[in-house]
Amino acid sequence: EDQVTQSPEALRLQEGESSSLNCSYTVSGLRGLFWYRQDPGKGPEFLFTLYSAGEEKEKERLKATLTKKESFLHITAPKPEDSATYLCAVADSWGKFQFGAGTQVVVTP
Amino acid sequence: GAVVSQHPSWVICKSGTSVKIECRSLDFQATTMFWYRQFPKQSLMLMATSNEGSKATYEQGVEKDKFLINHASLTLSTLTVTSAHPEDSSFYICSAPGGLEMNTGELFFGEGSRLTVL
Repeated sequence: EDQVTQSPEALRLQEGESSSLNCSYTVSGLRGLFWYRQDPGKGPEFLFTLYSAGEEKEKERLKATLTKKESFLHITAPKPEDSATYLCAVADSWGKFQFGAGTQVVVTP
Repeated sequence: GAVVSQHPSWVICKSGTSVKIECRSLDFQATTMFWYRQFPKQSLMLMATSNEGSKATYEQGVEKDKFLINHASLTLSTLTVTSAHPEDSSFYICSAPGGLEMNTGELFFGEGSRLTVL
C-alpha cells in the first residue's frame, strides 16, 4: 500500500532561518512526487513535480529534491508569507495520488 | 496555469438536508475530477473519482448513495451530500489533473468548500 509520511508535523521558524521539510514515501511505481502549499481554509496550490531520483526544482525561496525514498523541501531565508501547510503527494503507476498529512510552517518576523 | 473553481466556498445546513457542491475547470477540459475530504490537520482523503459520461469510482468506505457525484460535462463535476448529518461536516476539495497525460501531471485544486451541518 502506498504511504506518504511527512515530518515534522509543525515547524516554527524565525524570519531568515532556513530549514527543511521531509517527505518519506513508499509507492508501487512512482509516476511523480508533488509538493503543494495550502493556506488555511483554501485548496492546495501546486508548487513542484519531481519525477526521478536526483531531480531538483527551485522556486523563489523553495527548493525540492528527490531520492528513491524521500523528498525534501528546503526553505531558504523564509519570510512570514511563507507560512502555510506544505503537502507532499505521490502518484503511483495507476495514477492514483496519495497525500501526506502535511507540515505546518509558521515563520515569525 | 489551469484554474479549478469550486462553489460554494462555505455552506451551513440543517441535518437531513442535501447540499450540492460544484467543481468547474475554467480554462481546460477535465474528463476526470477527484473529490477529497479533509479533516483539520489531516491529509486529503480521496473520496471518489468523477468520470465524464460514466459512473464515478468510489474509494473503499465511501457511501456512493450518500455522496452523489455527477460529471455532466467536460468542465463540471458536482458532489451532492444527501441527508447530511453533523458527522458529514468537513472541508471538501475537488481537483483535476492538468498534465499532458491524465494522472501524470500535477493536480489543480479548487478553493474547497467548508460544510457545516447543524
